[in-house]
Amino acid sequence: GAGVSQSPSNKVTEKGKDVELRCDPISGHTALYWYRQRLGQGLEFLIYFQGNSAPDKSGLPSDRFSAERTGESVSTLTIQRTQQEDSAVYLCASNEASGKETQYFGPGTRLLVL
Amino acid sequence: EDQVTQSPEALRLQEGESSSLNCSYTVSGLRGLFWYRQDPGKGPEFLFTLYSAGEEKEKERLKATLTKKESFLHITAPKPEDSATYLCAVPGLRTGNQFYFGTGTSLTVIP
Repeated sequence: GAGVSQSPSNKVTEKGKDVELRCDPISGHTALYWYRQRLGQGLEFLIYFQGNSAPDKSGLPSDRFSAERTGESVSTLTIQRTQQEDSAVYLCASNEASGKETQYFGPGTRLLVL
Repeated sequence: EDQVTQSPEALRLQEGESSSLNCSYTVSGLRGLFWYRQDPGKGPEFLFTLYSAGEEKEKERLKATLTKKESFLHITAPKPEDSATYLCAVPGLRTGNQFYFGTGTSLTVIP
C-alpha cells in the first residue's frame, strides 16, 4: 500500500484482557515506531524497531507491553492484562532509516478499556 | 533532558487573521525539527523538516522558520480547512531514534 496501515481502527476491550495491535509500514521502510497518544496529550514514544530488532524499548510503560516485528515488515504491539489507563490512540510510524528522516504515520488504533 | 514545548495550547482565529505558532526545544545538537498536522481521528501528517537555524520552508498558507532555540509556524490568511492540531518534534540526541513531540497547538479558524 501507499501508506502506513493499522488494524483494528477501533478496539473496545474489558479490563484484564489482552489485545494485539497491528501495523503495516510503508514497503521498504526499515525503521518502525510505536507511539501512544492519550486524549488531549502529545505523542508518547513506546518502542522503535530497526529491521526486526528493537534497540530502544525505553518507552514501554510496563512489562505488560511488548512488541515484535517480523520480516522487516509487520509489527504487533501486545498489551497484556489491559488496564483503564491503557485507553489511548496507538500510532505507528515508519521511515527509511533511523535518525533525522521524516516519520510517516498510520491512522492509529483507538483502544478503549472498560 | 531533551524537551519540546509548544505554545499556545489552543488558538482561535478569524478567517484571514494571520498568526504564528511556537515550538521551543532544549535538545542539544539539533538534527532536524519536524512539523506535523493532525486532524481529529487521524494520524499526524508530515508538513516540514528544518535542519539549520535560518532555514525557512513554505507550503500554501504555512511557513516554518527555525532559530537555534525555537521554530515558528506562520499561518497567513488562514481558512477554516486549516483547523487542526499542529505538532512539532525533534529527534533525541541520546539515541537519535526517539522523537520528542510537543503537546501541540489546536488551531480553530472561524469562517
